[in-house]
Amino acid sequence: EPEVTQTPSHQVTQMGQEVILRCVPISNHLYFYWYRQILGQKVEFLVSFYNNEISEKSEIFDDQFSVERPDGSNFTLKIRSTKLEDSAMYFCASRRPNQPQHFGDGTRLSIL
Amino acid sequence: AQKVTQAQTEISVVEKEDVTLDCVYETRDTTYYLFWYKQPPSGELVFLIRRNSFDEQNEISGRYSWNFQKSTSSFNFTITASQVVDSAVYFCALSEASNFGNEKLTFGTGTRLTIIP
Repeated sequence: EPEVTQTPSHQVTQMGQEVILRCVPISNHLYFYWYRQILGQKVEFLVSFYNNEISEKSEIFDDQFSVERPDGSNFTLKIRSTKLEDSAMYFCASRRPNQPQHFGDGTRLSIL
Repeated sequence: AQKVTQAQTEISVVEKEDVTLDCVYETRDTTYYLFWYKQPPSGELVFLIRRNSFDEQNEISGRYSWNFQKSTSSFNFTITASQVVDSAVYFCALSEASNFGNEKLTFGTGTRLTIIP
């Protein structure tokens, strides 16, 4: 069964550094999402992406965040200048029209 | 604004007991979707069910069943004859269909279920 793939599984970065989290959505999916989950807390929506543009973003998704779909397969989340509070698990999800979202296994981001 | 409440933070039951996880939601939309996801200790999010707001029929899938009641804005999840492998955090989630195509998920805070052997 096709899966959403996220790399790396764990990323450790110094505060203030840029980080790029990568996702390969399921190939025939059209809608893409990033969510984050701070340790022990609920999963929070960050941004949705469709037709090569952001369709909605949350208050969390400030100017430090950006998303890109640089080619036909990858979907990336960039954090420009990381802060300690960016430490979380980041989940990528994708879906087809009128179908549920399928999540990747997540990238655990640790900011030192 | 949409909101999902899972009042049960943690539940522990002995193996083979039945357990029900509660979920209450708020939305102004007439068309929406409700979901349950399972997060095992390994951390991934596993899709369990998606229910359309117009379909109030209860659903059963093996040991799992879901009770959707619009009158009380609840979408409860029952595990029958629980097993140790059911130990996980379970999240209820909601998406509104009015924002065409987007359907971002709003999650509850989750219920940590521990099955005691």
